[in-house]
Amino acid sequence: SQQGEEDPQALSIQEGENATMNCSYKTSINNLQWYRQNSGRGLVHLILIRSNEREKHSGRLRVTLDTSKKSSSLLITASRAADTASYFCATDEPSNYQLIWGAGTKLIIKP
Amino acid sequence: DAGVIQSPRHEVTEMGQEVTLRCKPISGHNSLFWYRQTMMRGLELLIYFNNNVPIDDSGMPEDRFSAKMPNASFSTLKIQPSEPRDSAVYFCASSLGGGGSPLHFGNGTRLTVT
Repeated sequence: SQQGEEDPQALSIQEGENATMNCSYKTSINNLQWYRQNSGRGLVHLILIRSNEREKHSGRLRVTLDTSKKSSSLLITASRAADTASYFCATDEPSNYQLIWGAGTKLIIKP
Repeated sequence: DAGVIQSPRHEVTEMGQEVTLRCKPISGHNSLFWYRQTMMRGLELLIYFNNNVPIDDSGMPEDRFSAKMPNASFSTLKIQPSEPRDSAVYFCASSLGGGGSPLHFGNGTRLTVT
């Protein structure tokens, strides 16, 4: 089942600009994860943020989590052509092993 | 770390034929997941193994689908008989710890059933 909803569904920006993607979910969570999927490839884990964390950084990635609004955002700074991919959020609920996936945001970086 | 290895990368078969997809998880990982991805339905969890034991197969579409994990380093997903609506990309993923642990995905098998 899909709980998360990414917004926007598609995003096209110029290289060097920042890209922001959002994810909303419906129930209480333990963690929220972001994944990247390049065309024709498997998903790659980017970052995990726990429900008691509000912000996390990894290189050019910045993730925020607002549990009161049941939402998260992924910011990619100084975008590069190689960032062109689909980005998915996934949540896991307490006492549930299963990850609930969003439908993804397709990001295109124009050179 | 060789990552999760899936084979074949592409499979084209005719309706009614048996299809077997294979997966080698990352050594040491104790959880294994089979997913199916389509444009219409996104990522769907088919089955989850923990320590080689199937924990939840409620996502398996019907009896035509079966999965096995005979040991910690190998799993198969079989479709018999295959149908055109089974056309999708099938992913295997493994993790250490299960639950909400980060998943490591293979590059998938693109299945086309004509």
